[in-house]
Amino acid sequence: AQKITQTQPGMFVQEKEAVTLDCTYDTSDPSYGLFWYKQPSSGEMIFLIYQGSYDQQNATEGRYSLNFQKARKSANLVISASQLGDSAMYFCAMRGFSNDYKLSFGAGTTVTVRA
Amino acid sequence: GAGVSQSPSNKVTEKGKDVELRCDPISGHTALYWYRQSLGQGLEFLIYFQGNSAPDKSGLPSDRFSAERTGGSVSTLTIQRTQQEDSAVYLCASSLSSAAGQETQYFGPGTRLLVL
Repeated sequence: AQKITQTQPGMFVQEKEAVTLDCTYDTSDPSYGLFWYKQPSSGEMIFLIYQGSYDQQNATEGRYSLNFQKARKSANLVISASQLGDSAMYFCAMRGFSNDYKLSFGAGTTVTVRA
Repeated sequence: GAGVSQSPSNKVTEKGKDVELRCDPISGHTALYWYRQSLGQGLEFLIYFQGNSAPDKSGLPSDRFSAERTGGSVSTLTIQRTQQEDSAVYLCASSLSSAAGQETQYFGPGTRLLVL
């Protein structure tokens, strides 16, 4: 079984600044994948970025980057140059590779970008 | 291309009635998942379909919940004798397959169910 912890229920960030969203996880699976999703007020879950446990480099996707520290079991999302449209709920999720296909989600972090 | 679509987008029903929620996955995606998002419970897995294999129903909360997938494409989630605690957003996702762990699940817009 996997467990995801997101300790920040809500965050405020100034437009154009960077923000880091924390995510720690626990799993007994030796290989796994970590995902971040964005959920705006419209409700749709939008895939942002993926990091595999075997990846040597941190994943990046445009303004999103993942600070992956395997030994600490953390996978923090960094959003650079925040925009007003980044205001949303952000979920960290993971999936074990051995015999699992469902995603386990954290509780989410609400980000509000201020002009 | 078209993403995952779900219908209806909103559903209000009376306690005790049956409801059907529909999901149309991305074309070519063989894996389909249902999740439920409710206040206080977060996102929880309900059921998973992979091709023509028997579905994994381990996440269904009670025998009032059932789902089917016809022709390996469209899926219907049915809730019988709805209860107020069934009120939630029901999210459907699909992926190319589930064999590879890194397969990304793409979500639909969800169906917001309110049971009065």
